This record gives sequence, structure tokens and C-alpha cells, in this order.
Amino acid sequence: AQRVTQPEKLLSVFKGAPVELKCNYSYSGSPELFWYVQYSRQRLQLLLRHISRESIKGFTADLNKGETSFHLKKPFAQEEDSAMYYCALSVWGSARQLTFGSGTQLTVLP
Amino acid sequence: ETGVTQSPTHLIKTRGQQVTLRCSSQSGHNTVSWYQQALGQGPQFIFQYYREEENGRGNFPPRFSGLQFPNYSSELNVNALELDDSALYLCASSIGTGGYGYTFGSGTRLTVV
Repeated sequence: AQRVTQPEKLLSVFKGAPVELKCNYSYSGSPELFWYVQYSRQRLQLLLRHISRESIKGFTADLNKGETSFHLKKPFAQEEDSAMYYCALSVWGSARQLTFGSGTQLTVLP
Repeated sequence: ETGVTQSPTHLIKTRGQQVTLRCSSQSGHNTVSWYQQALGQGPQFIFQYYREEENGRGNFPPRFSGLQFPNYSSELNVNALELDDSALYLCASSIGTGGYGYTFGSGTRLTVV
């Protein structure tokens, strides 16, 4: 069975500092990886997916199959980046359900 | 274009009771997935409905059941409630069964006492 691990429950950085949110996964095949974000009092929403290889709000994430990681990075954190971030994995199958990590609460300090 | 709407927003039930949660999918979306999010955890997949049939199920007992209606809205039913069922229940709709086009609702907070 697939599993997603986010080792940091809480992460604080200062505004302008680089930020990296860690995500490791376990799955024997080729999964699809995502980052979801939940801002305060808002719904869970998709931030980015590895297939699209795009940068959203300055965030990027590279899938490292050797290390089975999909860390989320941003070179200069902003206060509005403060939110709960979830890494998620989807595998090929009829339902394509998401397996989520337990999340990392990012706080960007002024 | 309307998003995903869930009702009620909060609910308190007694152990052993039954509960029904409702979800209206986003316009144009034909698939609904349900997730349970316990406090401090990420969402956990319960099941998915596509074309009014269950199309995949997570590791949840049969007392968790669902329905999808012709207008693509959906219900999640939980029988014989247990204290551990206390959680935020999220509904997500999508076009087709792919996992990347999800639009999530705000959730229903269920408390079992």
C-alpha cells in the first residue's frame, strides 16, 4: 500500500528566507504526486502536481524517484504563504484516490 | 459556476446513532469522492462515486455507505456511530475519476459523544 510521510508538523521561517517542506512517499510503482494547500478558513486546494512541472506562487517541487521524495520549495517565503500544506499521492486505478500525508503547518514570520 | 457545497457544516451525534452528510458537486463535475480527516491528520479516502455507483473504496467498514444521485450530488451515511468517527468529512468533486481535478468542499465537522 502507498504511504506519504511529512516529517515536520510545524515549520517556521522568516519572511524572505528559503523554505522547504519535506515529503517522502512509499509506492513500488510510478505515482502521481501533488501538493495541496489550505489557507486559514479556506478550503483545501491544489497547489501543484509533479506532471505539470509548473511553478505556482513561486513554489516548485521536483519528484526524486531515487529518494522517493517530492519536497516543496520556495526561494523567498512571504507572509501570505502561511498555511497548512499537504503532500498527496495518486496511483493508477479506477478511482485514482489521493493518499495524503499528515500535513505541515508553515508559518512565515515578519 | 458554483463550487462544492456540503451540509450541514457541524453536527453532534450520540454513539450508536446514524448520520447522513450531503454534498453538491461543482457544476460540470460528475464524480464525487469522500474523505475523512481526523484531528491532526491528513484526509483519508473513504470512497468515490461515479455514474451513481461506488467506484473505489478505502479502508472503511461497511457501516460507511454512500449514494450518488442523477444530478451528481452525493450522500455519505454512517451507521452505528463510534466515538472515533468524530472528524471532518470532506467531499471532493471532479470531472471523471482522475485524482487531480478535485474541488474540495469546506467539510462537515461531525462530533460523536
